[in-house]
Amino acid sequence: QKEVEQNSGPLSVPEGAIASLNCTYSDRGSQSFFWYRQYSGKSPELIMSIYSNGDKEDGRFTAQLNKASQYVSLLIRDSQPSDSATYLCAVSGNNRLAFGKGNQVVVIP
Amino acid sequence: DTAVSQTPKYLVTQMGNDKSIKCEQNLGHDTMYWYKQDSKKFLKIMFSYNNKELIINETVPNRFSPKSPDKAHLNLHINSLELGDSAVYFCASSQGPGSGANVLTFGAGSRLTVL
Repeated sequence: QKEVEQNSGPLSVPEGAIASLNCTYSDRGSQSFFWYRQYSGKSPELIMSIYSNGDKEDGRFTAQLNKASQYVSLLIRDSQPSDSATYLCAVSGNNRLAFGKGNQVVVIP
Repeated sequence: DTAVSQTPKYLVTQMGNDKSIKCEQNLGHDTMYWYKQDSKKFLKIMFSYNNKELIINETVPNRFSPKSPDKAHLNLHINSLELGDSAVYFCASSQGPGSGANVLTFGAGSRLTVL
């Protein structure tokens, strides 16, 4: 089983809609969870971190964590064309960050 | 000032050649990493150094040899390049290992193409 799984294919959302991304992880001892955004041809950049169960909101982004289900999600409200990118889920453990394969989001104007 | 800089940005070379990628960070971080991102965008850790000491060495062919002359620099040398080595190699840094490893600052990436 992969450490961090993001199974959804490319996600197309109309401008102004909500984009919902999901991630599961295998290590029950993981304590820290992150979402990175990567534009095409660019490096990943941190957009959200979450450490405790529940929701964390930052602007149009909301991260949700459920440690019992080993599940992390990211909601992007009022999606904008500038949100078109690949979103990488990352989970910490063993002095490193393990990344999922990413979900591509395309916001259609 | 660029926080994490790596050179070269692009590298095209023939199979069997040896090449190096250099990385420098000016953030004062103690820990540096090399990640490999393949054509499917999967970002996988290769190596990590904390204050010049190797602390993570994933299952990577021994053709890949990292070297950290000081905590601000981490280089990657690759011998006998193979087609499968074609990828984008990202250098990253963080304040430290453990909980400090959580927030990574990435360099712009070095795209290696092996022909």
